[in-house]
Amino acid sequence: GENVEQHPSTLSVQEGDSAVIKCTYSDSASNYFPWYKQELGKRPQLIIDIRSNVGEKKDQRIAVTLNKTAKHFSLHITETQPEDSAVYFCAAINFGNEKLTFGTGTRLTIIP
Amino acid sequence: ETGVTQTPRHLVMGMTNKKSLKCEQHLGHNAMYWYKQSAKKPLELMFVYNFKEQTENNSVPSRFSPECPNSSHLFLHLHTLQPEDSALYLCASRSLEGAWRLPTNEKLFFGSGTQLSVL
Repeated sequence: GENVEQHPSTLSVQEGDSAVIKCTYSDSASNYFPWYKQELGKRPQLIIDIRSNVGEKKDQRIAVTLNKTAKHFSLHITETQPEDSAVYFCAAINFGNEKLTFGTGTRLTIIP
Repeated sequence: ETGVTQTPRHLVMGMTNKKSLKCEQHLGHNAMYWYKQSAKKPLELMFVYNFKEQTENNSVPSRFSPECPNSSHLFLHLHTLQPEDSALYLCASRSLEGAWRLPTNEKLFFGSGTQLSVL
């Protein structure tokens, strides 16, 4: 089955700086990679996703990059703000497979 | 709100109790999931139901018993739980369509979860 590794497990960033979270996956057939943000006491919410036919996707301050050859993808948050503080999860899925395999999460803390 | 509702939000139960968690989605989805979230194993998949049929049981102990009476409702029946079962239980749903059941909308929507404490 798929195995997703996520690094780092914790990350502290000064407000205004950039944050990068990295994930690797094992199943080369995986072709959809979402990122979820979970604030304290709240549900995970999809913030950005990317399909394997695209190398990069951007939505305002958030971007995701995908390297299919190396089987890794990354979340980039620029101009970080205090409200970016949360736990971020990456995931990988093979279309036709019924489940997403999640990474172990990264606790991001933005220091004012 | 994402259209996935879970009740109760919080539950405290003893090891001999029997309780049920409920999940309801109003998104027209036909695949529903139970995830367990704890400090040790974030977002651990428990069960998957597609078109009301269970397609995945991720080696979950029998003290957890899922039920999916229709595509909109999902239950998790709990009995004789252990303290290590204390966790946040998250329901999620997604849309599958087509003869090959390929996802036309891959996005997974989560409920707010039930925070379970087993004493």
